[in-house]
Amino acid sequence: SQKIEQNSEALNIQEGKTATLTCNYTNYSPAYLQWYRQDPGRGPVFLLLIRENEKEKRKERLKVTFDTTLKQSLFHITASQPADSATYLCALDEGAAGNKLTFGGGTRVLVKP
Amino acid sequence: GAVVSQHPSRVICKSGTSVKIECRSLDFQATTMFWYRQFPKQSLMLMATSNEGSKATYEQGVEKDKFLINHASLTLSTLTVTSAHPEDSSFYICSAAPGVSNQPQHFGDGTRLSIL
Repeated sequence: SQKIEQNSEALNIQEGKTATLTCNYTNYSPAYLQWYRQDPGRGPVFLLLIRENEKEKRKERLKVTFDTTLKQSLFHITASQPADSATYLCALDEGAAGNKLTFGGGTRVLVKP
Repeated sequence: GAVVSQHPSRVICKSGTSVKIECRSLDFQATTMFWYRQFPKQSLMLMATSNEGSKATYEQGVEKDKFLINHASLTLSTLTVTSAHPEDSSFYICSAAPGVSNQPQHFGDGTRLSIL
């Protein structure tokens, strides 16, 4: 069966440290993988998109890697700040028409000052 | 970034009521809109994909007669929860996309539906 797995346990991290989140998938062939941030009671906000032929993508303090052999993406928040506290969702796009996404369960990150 | 407006943000109503939720793409033409449902501490579950001018495509297990979707223009899609019951209480979120792979979806801020 198809699965997208993210750490369900919250990640508590000290301000200034790097937070690393994982997204593992089974029985998918994503052409693209996306990461979103969701705050309580709000809709997700797009952060980064990485293609299957890209190994790494960066945006400011964020970095995403994509390993299609391991079927895994890692999401890094460097120099974390309390404002980074949120739930982070990975989503797979298999490249079919209409860019339908399938979301993982999300990982909650809490950055402590 | 692109803005998607969802309205209302919160609805509380009696069992048996039908509730309409609007999703508007404010600054781009959304060929495709998506409707999701999210239970507490769970991820987004896709309910249906809505393309402008055509019938929505529903995911397995989603009742099309229960959740009516209309996508009459490139900037507006509506979801109507018909004869809502307490088990329909949830957080409903829409998103809009240009309909091309390799593009992110832009989400509304969701509608908290509570059926008494």
